[in-house]
Amino acid sequence: DAKTTQPDSMESTEGETVHLPCSHATISGNEYIYWYRQVPLQGPEYVTHGLQQNTTNSMAFLAIASDRKSSTLILPHVSLRDAAVYHCILSPQGTGSKLSFGKGAKLTVSP
Amino acid sequence: AQTIHQWPVAEIKAVGSPLSLGCTIKGKSSPNLYWYWQATGGTLQQLFYSITVGQVESVVQLNLSASRPKDDQFILSTEKLLLSHSGFYLCAWSLDREGEQYFGPGTRLTVL
Repeated sequence: DAKTTQPDSMESTEGETVHLPCSHATISGNEYIYWYRQVPLQGPEYVTHGLQQNTTNSMAFLAIASDRKSSTLILPHVSLRDAAVYHCILSPQGTGSKLSFGKGAKLTVSP
Repeated sequence: AQTIHQWPVAEIKAVGSPLSLGCTIKGKSSPNLYWYWQATGGTLQQLFYSITVGQVESVVQLNLSASRPKDDQFILSTEKLLLSHSGFYLCAWSLDREGEQYFGPGTRLTVL
C-alpha cells in the first residue's frame, strides 16, 4: 500500500518554477521525506530530504506542511535537464537505508 | 571525490546459468552499500544492504544473494538465473543510514 501519493505526470516549460506535490497523510512522526529523481537507463539522483522544517539546496526547495501530511518540491527555473520521474519517499528514522520507490511523477519540460 | 563503478555494463545470460555482478566504491571508507533491481517498466526495489564488511541484510527475496568481501566492494550473485531476473541492477552507497543514497550507473541484465 502506497504511503505517498503523487500525480502521475506534470508538464512545464523551460524557465518556469515547478511545484511537485506529494501527499503523505499517514506519515509517522519519525519518518523523513526524501525526494529522488530518475531519468531512463540511469540510477536515481538524490534531490533533497527533510523531517519538519523546509529545506533548500542547489537543486530544489522542499516545503513541508506544518502537519507534515504533505510536501511540495519546488524546482526554480527548470531546464530540459530537469525532465525526470520524481519520487517522494518516506523513510523511518533509523532505517534510512530502506527506500521504497513507487511510480513517481513524470515531469516533462518543453523548450 | 567519491566514485561508484559497476560491472559489467550489460550482460546477456541463459536461464540456469550463474551470475555475478560487482560494485566498487572509491573515495569513501566504510560506506553503507545497497543493491536495487528494476524490471523493465517496473519500480525500483531494494534487494540488499550492508553496513559493514561481511554483513549483508536481505530486503527482498528474489533467489539472489549478496556479499561484501571488502569495505569498498559489493557483489550480487546467483547460481541459477531465472527469466524473471532480467532488468536493471543498481548499486548505491550512503554515509550512514539516515543519509542520501548515491547510485551507480547500473548493469542491464537480459536473461534468455
